[in-house]
Amino acid sequence: NAGVTQTPKFRILKIGQSMTLQCTQDMNHNYMYWYRQDPGMGLKLIYYSVGAGITDKGEVPNGYNVSRSTTEDFPLRLELAAPSQTSVYFCASSLRGGNYGYTFGSGTRLTVV
Amino acid sequence: DQQVKQNSPSLSVQEGRISILNCDYTNSMFDYFLWYKKYPAEGPTFLISISSIKDKNEDGRFTVFLNKSAKHLSLHIVPSQPGDSAVYFCAAGSEKLVFGKGTKLTVNP
Repeated sequence: NAGVTQTPKFRILKIGQSMTLQCTQDMNHNYMYWYRQDPGMGLKLIYYSVGAGITDKGEVPNGYNVSRSTTEDFPLRLELAAPSQTSVYFCASSLRGGNYGYTFGSGTRLTVV
Repeated sequence: DQQVKQNSPSLSVQEGRISILNCDYTNSMFDYFLWYKKYPAEGPTFLISISSIKDKNEDGRFTVFLNKSAKHLSLHIVPSQPGDSAVYFCAAGSEKLVFGKGTKLTVNP
């Protein structure tokens, strides 16, 4: 069982570049989430989705965009990368919301230089 | 402003003893409280949860206690094992979760 798959695992971006972090899940979960974790900090919610075609902002959405065209995929787009976006990004999914427990991907470590 | 706080960055215990990890929250509207465990270079994994209408939930060596009046929850691990060494995150919410900063637990053989 693949679970939640994130690609790439590592990436170095130059300031001003753009990229898409990919996330796909094979558990037919309705809910999907993007979090970022900065050193010594907890996970902060960037965007989430409760189903295909529905997305909503989390705590730290600025500088990011998402789309949810299918149940399986929830890509995160970074436009005009900035050093403040250096972080580890985690995608997660859940069948019916956070109270049922998320399944997390293994993360993407992004460095912006 | 942190809605979920884990005030101890680290905890060290001996193998076989009890580990107690603590978490405080400020939002009385949270429906569920969860604990996640994270190893380096991996995503967090769900450990145990508790509904806001309960005060205790057990799963094997892991027990979570909820004190709503104090807005406090704790995770007890008995007995602690070296494989339990990891960072533990407290989380709270319902549709979406707010996470604490984590507590690094080290279980010494």
